[in-house]
Parts: sequence; C-alpha cells; structure tokens
Amino acid sequence: DADVTQTPRNRITKTGKRIMLECSQTKGHDRMYWYRQDPGLGLRLIYYSFDVKDINKGEISDGYSVSRQAQAKFSLSLESAIPNQTALYFCATSETGSGTQYFGPGTRLLVL
Amino acid sequence: AQKITQTQPGMFVQEKEAVTLDCTYDTSDPSYGLFWYKQPSSGEMIFLIYQGSYDQQNATEGRYSLNFQKARKSANLVISASQLGDSAMYFCAMREDNDYKLSFGAGTTVTVRA
Repeated sequence: DADVTQTPRNRITKTGKRIMLECSQTKGHDRMYWYRQDPGLGLRLIYYSFDVKDINKGEISDGYSVSRQAQAKFSLSLESAIPNQTALYFCATSETGSGTQYFGPGTRLLVL
Repeated sequence: AQKITQTQPGMFVQEKEAVTLDCTYDTSDPSYGLFWYKQPSSGEMIFLIYQGSYDQQNATEGRYSLNFQKARKSANLVISASQLGDSAMYFCAMREDNDYKLSFGAGTTVTVRA
C-alpha cells in the first residue's frame, strides 16, 4: 500500500463550488504539506503543518484552507473554486529534522 | 528571486547513454539541502537523491549521481545508462535550513530514445 494517499485522484467541479481534497499517510511523519503544480512553474507551497496544532500559510494560500484532523490526515479545501485553481495538487510529508519530502500521487482538479 | 534554475526545458538521450540535467541554485544560507525528483507521465513525484551542503562527497543512488559544485552553486543530476523508463520530467529542489519548504525549479523533460 502507498505510504501517502490522496483522494480523489481526479475531480471536475464548477466555479463557486466548495471542494475538499484529502491526504492520509502511514509514514508516521509529523510534517505535512500541500502543493500545487501548474505547467512550467514547478510546485508551489499552499499550506504546511508541523503537527496537529501547528498550521501555517505557504506562498499561495489565498482561496484555500486546511485542516489537520490527526497526525496522519491533512485536508485542503477550496471554499469557492475558481478556474485558475485548476491544477495538479500534491500532498507531501516529512520527518521532523529531515528535509526529504515524500509525495502522494496527486489530485488533478479541473474547475469549469 | 528564483532560487532554483533549470535551464533545459527538454532533452533527448539515446538508450544506454548518460545524461546530465543542469540545476543552479541561489542561497545565502550556509546550510541547505538539494533534492532531485522524477515525475513520470502518470504524475507522481518520486524522490531520487539528496545532497547536503556540508556533504564532502557527491551523492549517488544506483544509476543517479549528483554532481555538486558548491562554489558554482550547481547540483547537476547525472543519469547513467539511460532506460526507456527514465523518460519523465525531472525537478531540482532546495531546502534552506532556516526554512520549512522545498523551492522547486521549473523542471526538465527527458525523453529516452530506443
């Protein structure tokens, strides 16, 4: 089984809809991250969490919110989706003290 | 300012040959880490190799090696004996020790020809 899982893997939604992307991990890592990938721009950080009670904004947090329900679960919400949020979304995890991040399989989101 | 620069948008390599992917970085932090990730067409991000700024030797992982030239601020990835399955997008990334996130380059697409 995959160490970092994301659901759904693909999603099509309409402008103005609320949508939640979920991430679960079995690696036992404290730190979790949400990134988005747009063509030609690499990955950019949306939010990160160092533990259940510690959540921080990344470089592109506007229009997004997150919830760390447990050490193993970190969800990303788009409160009112807009077309320029169409992207590939990745969840990642890392151990405290280690820089290496391990990524989930990604969620392809299309906002019409 | 861009922290990671990958100047090669796309490269072709013949099967069984070696290929070098360029990566330069910008930081004033004396302690940092450099990473390479592979993204096949299926989309997942696969961790390949890591180099710490204080590591004396270049990192190697199987057919992957990292040519780390600290003075030139470069961290090129070398893939030896290319295979068809190496066709993918490759991303260079950096984590500064006073920071929490990875900064990614724009990526290089590698296509391996039979």
